[in-house]
Amino acid sequence: NAGVTQTPKFQVLKTGQSMTLQCAQDMNHEYMSWYRQDPGMGLRLIHYSVGAGITDQGEVPNGYNVSRSTTEDFPLRLLSAAPSQTSVYFCASRAGTGYNEQYFGPGTRLTVT
Amino acid sequence: RKEVEQDPGPFNVPEGATVAFNCTYSNSASQSFFWYRQDCRKEPKLLMSVYSSGNEDGRFTAQLNRASQYISLLIRDSKLSDSATYLCVVNEKSFQKLVFGTGTRLLVSP
Repeated sequence: NAGVTQTPKFQVLKTGQSMTLQCAQDMNHEYMSWYRQDPGMGLRLIHYSVGAGITDQGEVPNGYNVSRSTTEDFPLRLLSAAPSQTSVYFCASRAGTGYNEQYFGPGTRLTVT
Repeated sequence: RKEVEQDPGPFNVPEGATVAFNCTYSNSASQSFFWYRQDCRKEPKLLMSVYSSGNEDGRFTAQLNRASQYISLLIRDSKLSDSATYLCVVNEKSFQKLVFGTGTRLLVSP
């Protein structure tokens, strides 16, 4: 009964480093999303996917890439980390229609120095 | 104007009190609405969906006013365990995106 899993839970990067945040879900959900959450800003959508092979940009996509080669996995890549990307990152998934509950992973706390 | 706006609070209430939060949204084409709850340093979790006719789940009541474009959450008989941040969520773009408000923080004290 894993739901949405994210790794790592915590990460510290130096400016300019790259890394991939992993996200997986075992509920066969079509929709997956990545958000970042910053104090006073709420959850902001970075990228989302409506199915394998289909991705689209959200509100704050710059500096991040995603791919969706399988229904289960939706990794988020930071291309060249910047201090402005210090945040808590949440991956989420939900079944297809807009009336369904969205499930979140436990989050990744990223610090860029 | 933000797509979804909430009063950040905090709302400080004693146990047993009734408290209400409002949330306004800007897109009149929005079709589905939710309240999520987020505990400190945890992921958001669905509290309840909001239906056009209004709906109740125990001590929690959600209302939708499409004409004025706001949704509300009423909590009766507040418990210490209700202390959390409550996020208003609206569906956008043909159900592809959920837009989150910044949240309203509730603190229930003994």
